[in-house]
Amino acid sequence: QVHLQESGPGLVKPSETLSLTCSVSGGSLIDYYWSWIRQPPGRGLECIGYISYSGATNYNPSLRSRVTMSVDRSKNQISLRLSAVTAADTAVYFCAREALRSFDRGGSPFNVWGQGTLVAVSS
Amino acid sequence: DIVMTQSPDSLTVSLGERATINCKSSQSVLFSSNNHNYLAWYQQKPGQPPKLLIYWASTRESGVPDRFSGIGSGTDFTLTINGLQAEDVAVYYCQQYLGTPFTFGPGTKVEIK
Repeated sequence: QVHLQESGPGLVKPSETLSLTCSVSGGSLIDYYWSWIRQPPGRGLECIGYISYSGATNYNPSLRSRVTMSVDRSKNQISLRLSAVTAADTAVYFCAREALRSFDRGGSPFNVWGQGTLVAVSS
Repeated sequence: DIVMTQSPDSLTVSLGERATINCKSSQSVLFSSNNHNYLAWYQQKPGQPPKLLIYWASTRESGVPDRFSGIGSGTDFTLTINGLQAEDVAVYYCQQYLGTPFTFGPGTKVEIK
């Protein structure tokens, strides 16, 4: 059974860069799309973007200028970097795996999620 | 972006009764070439990640009880919980995965009366 585990600092200073890693165990990165999704405390869910096994990315336009995602196939990990953070970036950050895509158009639902990690932005 | 809205914001239902949650998308999430609605429903309990319940608008994820059902097409969708159980207390989100960025509705909180 695939298991996702997010890790990274729980506290980041304003204007600095948030860096998180999602470790994938019990399965391969191959053939899947991997997303980062965040949820501010008490609020709804926002897709930050996704990365494919091959490294192709698609970022939310609202965050595109500050986001970088990468994949480390040797470690079975995906990573997120979000630069120039502010208090508005305080959230629980989830990594999630889409179900296998069946069609050339659109994506697939998120059927595997990590537990999430809370990142607070504060000086 | 495709904007997702949900109604009601919250819902209080007696045990064993039916809960109905509506979801509307600002654009159709039906892709005519494959006749699939790119619409999913998730359940989120406090302190937990969302759990996939329904995808393609009406297909139940493996292991999800059959009291959960989804219906709808185009821009209007409904999640129904028939015979609400205590463990169904949660926030429910709809999500479209047709156009990027994939977007979620604001959520509907379901509580027991």
